[in-house]
Amino acid sequence: SYELTQPPSVSVSPGQTARITCSGDALPKQYAYWYQQKPGQAPVLVIYKDSERPSGIPERFSGSSSGTTVTLTISGVQAEDEADYYCQSADSSGTYNVVFGGGTKLTVL
Amino acid sequence: EVQLVESGGGLVQPGGSLRLSCAASGFTFSSYWMSWVRQAPGKGLEWVANIKQDGSEKYYVDSVKGRFTISRDNAKNSLYLQMNSLRAEDTAVYYCARGMTTVRSYYFDYWGQGTLVTVSS
Repeated sequence: SYELTQPPSVSVSPGQTARITCSGDALPKQYAYWYQQKPGQAPVLVIYKDSERPSGIPERFSGSSSGTTVTLTISGVQAEDEADYYCQSADSSGTYNVVFGGGTKLTVL
Repeated sequence: EVQLVESGGGLVQPGGSLRLSCAASGFTFSSYWMSWVRQAPGKGLEWVANIKQDGSEKYYVDSVKGRFTISRDNAKNSLYLQMNSLRAEDTAVYYCARGMTTVRSYYFDYWGQGTLVTVSS
């Protein structure tokens, strides 16, 4: 079955830049999406269509794509950004067969 | 304001059944795909099922095919998940989510707060 691969954890100090990657063979053909989830809360969409930011999401959140890897970048990380981040896309068999990455725990030191 | 409120979770024995509901408000429910996504305790997100606006297309993750059925009632602005033959590995928080489609993918722009399903004897 299709998989999206994320690093289990990323740690940065406040004010630094955090980069979280997500790799998958179908990513050149399918858009990627990113969700932030804080403990006890529902996920929140922070990036859609590889690099678009929904209204209300701070400008420090950005996304990019290169080949089979997409990257979520958080510039000037703040303590409130500590959370789990999940990438999401679809496998090559169809748009509606959704796949999530395993998630990355972002720790703000 | 978009609101999605799940209900129907609880404790059920292995092999049992449960029906989850999701009440939607703040948007034209009949105009959107809808989905269920689950999260086992301490684990990541797992997509479960999608349903088209008129219910004519449904998609499921392989692990629930033949056991779970997604449905909707547009007149009641409600989404459902009928879960049969439940297993311990189905234990999770189940989220209702609004689906958005693009030419190249499907994603979730609004989520409910989730309802916990525990499968245990």
